[in-house]
Amino acid sequence: DAGVIQSPRHEVTEMGQEVTLRCKPISGHNSLFWYRQTMMRGLELLIYFNNNVPIDDSGMPEDRFSAKMPNASFSTLKIQPSEPRDSAVYFCASTLSSHEQYFGPGTRLTVT
Amino acid sequence: QKEVEQNSGPLSVPEGAIASLNCTYSDRVSQSFFWYRQYSGKSPELIMSIYSNGDKEDGRFTAQLNKASQYVSLLIRDSQPSDSATYLCAVLYGQNFVFGPGTRLSVLP
Repeated sequence: DAGVIQSPRHEVTEMGQEVTLRCKPISGHNSLFWYRQTMMRGLELLIYFNNNVPIDDSGMPEDRFSAKMPNASFSTLKIQPSEPRDSAVYFCASTLSSHEQYFGPGTRLTVT
Repeated sequence: QKEVEQNSGPLSVPEGAIASLNCTYSDRVSQSFFWYRQYSGKSPELIMSIYSNGDKEDGRFTAQLNKASQYVSLLIRDSQPSDSATYLCAVLYGQNFVFGPGTRLSVLP
């Protein structure tokens, strides 16, 4: 099993640019989670999907952030426009029926 | 507000000793609890899950759950320098995983 796949692994962009992060969950998993991790705030849940449907997006910091899951094997997290305070590591994780959660390698985003 | 609390550490133990990591949570309804290990610059890695009161052992790791007191702990026996990492406690509230801030463990050779 390839595990959760995320791309890109590193992203450096300028303030105001659009950023799109991608995630492929483990095959057969029915829930997908997007997290953001910083030294100051730790691991924060942004949004999660169950069977491709967004269930809770209360962690999305503001309207600049959006997430989609068009099918069971792909999700995107988009930031438009990006700001320096969005710099963080973004993790995607998947699980089967709310059991053990498995994380992808993360995308390290730097906004200058 | 669903909360999960941990001591941030660092917790330092000598090689071969037992490391004890603790976690408390705010909601008695929670039924599922997890421990993750995160090395610097890497993603969290699941090491233990526990769902019922008592102890659960897996190799050098033992998870302990006490729902009445709302705490879950992780014991690492015969600690090794390779165990040095941040340990995250996670609690499942409904379908939402809430993570604690993590405890940084340092095992000294």
